[in-house]
Amino acid sequence: LAKTTQPISMDSYEGQEVNITCSHNNIATNDYITWYQQFPSQGPRFIIQGYKTKVTNEVASLFIPADRKSSTLSLPRVSLSDTAVYYCLVGRNTGNQFYFGTGTSLTVIP
Amino acid sequence: DTGVSQDPRHKITKRGQNVTFRCDPISEHNRLYWYRQTLGQGPEFLTYFQNEAQLEKSRLLSDRFSAERPKGSFSTLEIQRTEQGDSAMYLCASSLGSGQTDRYTFGSGTRLTVV
Repeated sequence: LAKTTQPISMDSYEGQEVNITCSHNNIATNDYITWYQQFPSQGPRFIIQGYKTKVTNEVASLFIPADRKSSTLSLPRVSLSDTAVYYCLVGRNTGNQFYFGTGTSLTVIP
Repeated sequence: DTGVSQDPRHKITKRGQNVTFRCDPISEHNRLYWYRQTLGQGPEFLTYFQNEAQLEKSRLLSDRFSAERPKGSFSTLEIQRTEQGDSAMYLCASSLGSGQTDRYTFGSGTRLTVV
């Protein structure tokens, strides 16, 4: 299982681009990188998933360098509603479940 | 499809009582997971089903915890003789089971408070 390391917390002003980096030095060849977002009192919600280079959807972009030992979730022009905890998941634990870690708590400031 | 439903949303119980939670997954999903989350922590895996078979259980799942998924549809998680340490958010998720690209869809959780 590839252990992930993320910053515990980040602050950003509204309208700015936010980049959250996740380190996963032991990522396996078959592992994908998946990011989830969680608001208080709700379950996590899938944001984006990728294997290499860049992936973009209507919510975010995911940048993965060639060595795949890290990844960066990019949130363009954040708003107050982007205040949440963001989890980076890589690979599966023994068996078939993903390990969440403690995530990055993003606070968007007006 | 309305997504993953969990019931109840909140449960307050006295220590020593038994509680049961229900999860209704997305109908096309054959995998169902239970996670537990305490304040400030990420979700911790408890157990997982492939259809009706319970294939994996965490060490966190003591013998007071039992989960079922009869007929591979909804699932229940029962906690017997609740303790204050059981207070947490219990999350259910389902997925298609599509290997490394698998994606969880979570319910809103059941928040348990043991007093």
